[in-house]
Amino acid sequence: QSALTQPASVSGSPGQSITISCTGTSSDIGDYNYVSWYQQHPGKAPKLVIYDVTKRPSGVSDRFSGSRSGKTASLTISGLQPEDEADYHCSSYTSISTFVFGTGTKVTVL
Amino acid sequence: QVQLQESGPGQVTPSGTLSLTCDVSGGSISSHDWWSWVRQPPGKGLEWIGEVFHSGSTNYNPSLKSRVTISIDKSNNYFSLKLNSVTAADTAVYFCATSGDPRFDTWGQGTLVTVSS
Repeated sequence: QSALTQPASVSGSPGQSITISCTGTSSDIGDYNYVSWYQQHPGKAPKLVIYDVTKRPSGVSDRFSGSRSGKTASLTISGLQPEDEADYHCSSYTSISTFVFGTGTKVTVL
Repeated sequence: QVQLQESGPGQVTPSGTLSLTCDVSGGSISSHDWWSWVRQPPGKGLEWIGEVFHSGSTNYNPSLKSRVTISIDKSNNYFSLKLNSVTAADTAVYFCATSGDPRFDTWGQGTLVTVSS
């Protein structure tokens, strides 16, 4: 299984909105509502910020939102803040009962 | 909510076997369905290694399946990873995590394993 495709980097100014894409196949993103997104600060473990494509865990800011169109899922961060600067990883469940992660995106707050 | 803690040798010899344990605290290992291992090579993205159900059933990443064994010890509340025939490409931070529902809700802090002689 190949990694899901994400842009290497995305940047934005404080207060702006940014969107990170995550492209897969008909065997993962295109076939299941099990896309999740993780925020990872340097030297830390990943943290779940979106699951089941659009749902936010308790305690995660409503500035984080998720969507999907076909084989591409997206994470939008609105009202960008300095603490949002981190790496973001998407993940999908697959048709062979495995998980696949994205290539990862570094978000920079200018 | 459970807490997870990885432990094991920080260095493994090439062609040897990498062995890690994930201790589960704050609740029973039977309280969650699936338990996973995920790794991250230095400066790179995350890679799912595999998972174990509380009954002992497993699912593995096809690219690692021939070298991986994940097991669970419900009596002592931990699960384990063994990866054999390691090379420098297996150098990574290894995380354990819950993976039911299916998503990775809870993560350990991670442990760096270096493959080197």
